[in-house]
Amino acid sequence: SQQGEEDPQALSIQEGENATMNCSYKTSINNLQWYRQNSGRGLVHLILIRSNEREKHSGRLRVTLDTSKKSSSLLITASRAADTASYFCATLRSYNTDKLIFGTGTRLQVFP
Amino acid sequence: DTEVTQTPKHLVMGMTNKKSLKCEQHMGHRAMYWYKQKAKKPPELMFVYSYEKLSINESVPSRFSPECPNSSLLNLHLHALQPEDSALYLCASSPFEIMNTEAFFGQGTRLTVV
Repeated sequence: SQQGEEDPQALSIQEGENATMNCSYKTSINNLQWYRQNSGRGLVHLILIRSNEREKHSGRLRVTLDTSKKSSSLLITASRAADTASYFCATLRSYNTDKLIFGTGTRLQVFP
Repeated sequence: DTEVTQTPKHLVMGMTNKKSLKCEQHMGHRAMYWYKQKAKKPPELMFVYSYEKLSINESVPSRFSPECPNSSLLNLHLHALQPEDSALYLCASSPFEIMNTEAFFGQGTRLTVV
């Protein structure tokens, strides 16, 4: 079962530009997490934002969360070719803390 | 050690074969997960083990049989699979307080059913 939709499905930008990805979800959540996946291999955790937080930063990453709209965004600033990957949001539902459900993902291509 | 190790990396099996996927973590995590991922799609949750007991089965067909022999190991036994079961199978683990931390993923097993 999928919890969230992400947009855009695909994004192509030049190095140095910013990339913004959006995630919408359906149910109440404990937290929302963003993961990155290179070339269809394992996922790497990027950042976690709790349901009572509105914004979080980690290096070049900025995540916002709007629980009233059930949406989140991930901003990658000053992108690099190495940022080329698929990015997924994942939500942990508030009534089942074992169930981490992924959104549809955004494929980001950064051109040198 | 902050790794989740999955073996094998690649597996090709016939529809009548029986095979197993293995996942191992030594981080003392209490929850372990199996996900299935088709090409260009998000990971789909299959099973969750919490304290070595199956806590979630997302209506997965019985040809997939999970097993958690101890707190560090998670297996996925495969039998009579179909070609449409070909996918990347990902294992993950998380600490007790998943509300405050992330899941750690292995590199996956790429399964091809012929």
